[in-house]
Amino acid sequence: AQTVTQSQPEMSVQEAETVTLSCTYDTSENNYYLFWYKQPPSRQMILVIRQEAYKQQNATENRFSVNFQKAAKSFSLKISDSQLGDTAMYFCAFMKLFNNDMRFGAGTRLTVKP
Amino acid sequence: DVKVTQSSRYLVKRTGEKVFLECVQDMDHENMFWYRQDPGLGLRLIYFSYDVKMKEKGDIPEGYSVSREKKERFSLILESASTNQTSMYLCASRSLTGAQETQYFGPGTRLLVL
Repeated sequence: AQTVTQSQPEMSVQEAETVTLSCTYDTSENNYYLFWYKQPPSRQMILVIRQEAYKQQNATENRFSVNFQKAAKSFSLKISDSQLGDTAMYFCAFMKLFNNDMRFGAGTRLTVKP
Repeated sequence: DVKVTQSSRYLVKRTGEKVFLECVQDMDHENMFWYRQDPGLGLRLIYFSYDVKMKEKGDIPEGYSVSREKKERFSLILESASTNQTSMYLCASRSLTGAQETQYFGPGTRLLVL
């Protein structure tokens, strides 16, 4: 079974600075998807970014980018120019292709300080 | 935009009560999911459904059942609520087609069982 590990339960960053959230996973699959989801306080969980394992290029979405290291099974999220609205729980998730089973990490609570 | 709604944001029930949590999505998605979210444990899959009247157990189905009579609606049932079922419950949906592997989440129902 796939497992997803987020080793940082809580992190904080000053506004406008850069922060990196770590995620590692364990799988024997070669093709899969990886995701970062954001859950703001008392608000809906939304997708931040996703990466297909067959793509070597790291995904980016505006201020959010990932460092995908397939051999190391590592999938970190970098948030540049942090904003107060980035304060949230962040979940890393793994899913095999054509499969309904999405595995989530325990989450990292990120606080952006003014 | 995909919209996933849940019948209640907050619910307080007594031990032994039968509890219904309802989820509705408006994007004609085939797949629907119920997760339980607990601090330090991330999201754990309770049940999912890939079609009307079809269901599959997830990782923690004990004490829960589900119903999917219509494509857009997926209900989670606690037959006899217990205090250890106090948690946040998240519903999600996802399409099977194309590259829509992203799951869309509802706002969550925070259930307290006394």
